[in-house]
Amino acid sequence: QKEVEQNSGPLSVPEGAIASLNCTYSDRGSQSFFWYRQYSGKSPELIMFIYSNGDKEDGRFTAQLNKASQYVSLLIRDSQPSDSATYLCAVTTGGGNKLTFGTGTQLKVEL
Amino acid sequence: EAQVTQNPRYLITVTGKKLTVTCSQNMNHEYMSWYRQDPGLGLRQIYYSMNVEVTDKGDVPEGYKVSRKEKRNFPLILESPSPNQTSLYFCASSLHFLPPDTQYFGPGTRLTVL
Repeated sequence: QKEVEQNSGPLSVPEGAIASLNCTYSDRGSQSFFWYRQYSGKSPELIMFIYSNGDKEDGRFTAQLNKASQYVSLLIRDSQPSDSATYLCAVTTGGGNKLTFGTGTQLKVEL
Repeated sequence: EAQVTQNPRYLITVTGKKLTVTCSQNMNHEYMSWYRQDPGLGLRQIYYSMNVEVTDKGDVPEGYKVSRKEKRNFPLILESPSPNQTSLYFCASSLHFLPPDTQYFGPGTRLTVL
């Protein structure tokens, strides 16, 4: 079992819709959870982080964490074509000093 | 401008020829890290450094060396590169390890080992 799992996609949503991206992790000791966006040929950029169970909102983005079920999700409201990218879920592991990434979900927002 | 720089951006080399990929940040960050990114495998951490002279292995350290003699630089050394080290490499840094200190990624180095 991979430490951090994501559906590779592509996930296609129409412009203006809500995109829902999911991630599960195996290390019950993980404390911090991150979502990165990576455009093709570019480096990853951090868009959200969450530490506590529940929801955290930042503009059109909402991160959701459920430690009991070991999953974290990212909702993108009012999806725009510029949101088309690969979204990487990352989780602290190994006692907290390491960051383990999922393989990413490709999101396509269609006009 | 605050940034992480990597050099070279592209490199084609042959098996066994030692190489160094440099990484430098101008933000006085304590934490620096190297990742490799491969299709279907995602980003995997090679080595990280919590501060000067403090380095530790990530998930895939075999075949790589690092050093952190000064805060701004964190070079990645491949003593004897092999074809399975062909990959896209990213260096990253943050003030400390966890947010709210954002981890900044460099532009990437695409390495091909023939």
